[in-house]
Amino acid sequence: DTGVSQDPRHKITKRGQNVTFRCDPISEHNRLYWYRQTLGQGPEFLTYFQNEAQLEKSRLLSDRFSAERPKGSFSTLEIQRTEQGDSAMYLCASSEKYEQYFGPGTRLTVT
Amino acid sequence: DAKTTQPNSMESNEEEPVHLPCNHSTISGTDYIHWYRQLPSQGPEYVIHGLTSNVNNRMASLAIAEDRKSSTLILHRATLRDAAVYYCILRFYGGSQGNLIFGKGTKLSVKP
Repeated sequence: DTGVSQDPRHKITKRGQNVTFRCDPISEHNRLYWYRQTLGQGPEFLTYFQNEAQLEKSRLLSDRFSAERPKGSFSTLEIQRTEQGDSAMYLCASSEKYEQYFGPGTRLTVT
Repeated sequence: DAKTTQPNSMESNEEEPVHLPCNHSTISGTDYIHWYRQLPSQGPEYVIHGLTSNVNNRMASLAIAEDRKSSTLILHRATLRDAAVYYCILRFYGGSQGNLIFGKGTKLSVKP
């Protein structure tokens, strides 16, 4: 078991560009979560998948954000027309039951 | 969602026990109490969870008050590696809800 992996680990982009992040959960976990964390704050929930179904979306997830989990395995989070306020750590977590296992995150910097 | 209150920061000496408090006076009967920690530059890590009874695992112990309005995470012997932000989170398991609602947590510093 290699744990939850995320790619890339760091991304620097210019304002207005689109970015896509990937999350590979622990293989037998059917639940997958995306969170966003800014400096000095705890992570904030963005969205939740059970298998391939997106069951919950936070109000933080504006129309510029979209997430998919096409085959119930890996997931992608896309941000269109990035803004400086999107600069944050994007965390992915997976779970089977009670505990959520987090990946190392993707740090996004929008210049 | 029921909220939790934690001190912003705490200090401990290495190899001494640490008691991290959490108040959750509006907890409902179906809320589980979860603790996660986040080491610098890493994603959060599950520590322990419980409903009513005290719980022990290899990382820590969780002491839950009889009225469930507060709980304490106990690290029996703090090490330098335990320096992290500790989050106390209430989590409801009904329906499709499953996300964690993090507060600011308690930043634990461990002195050698």
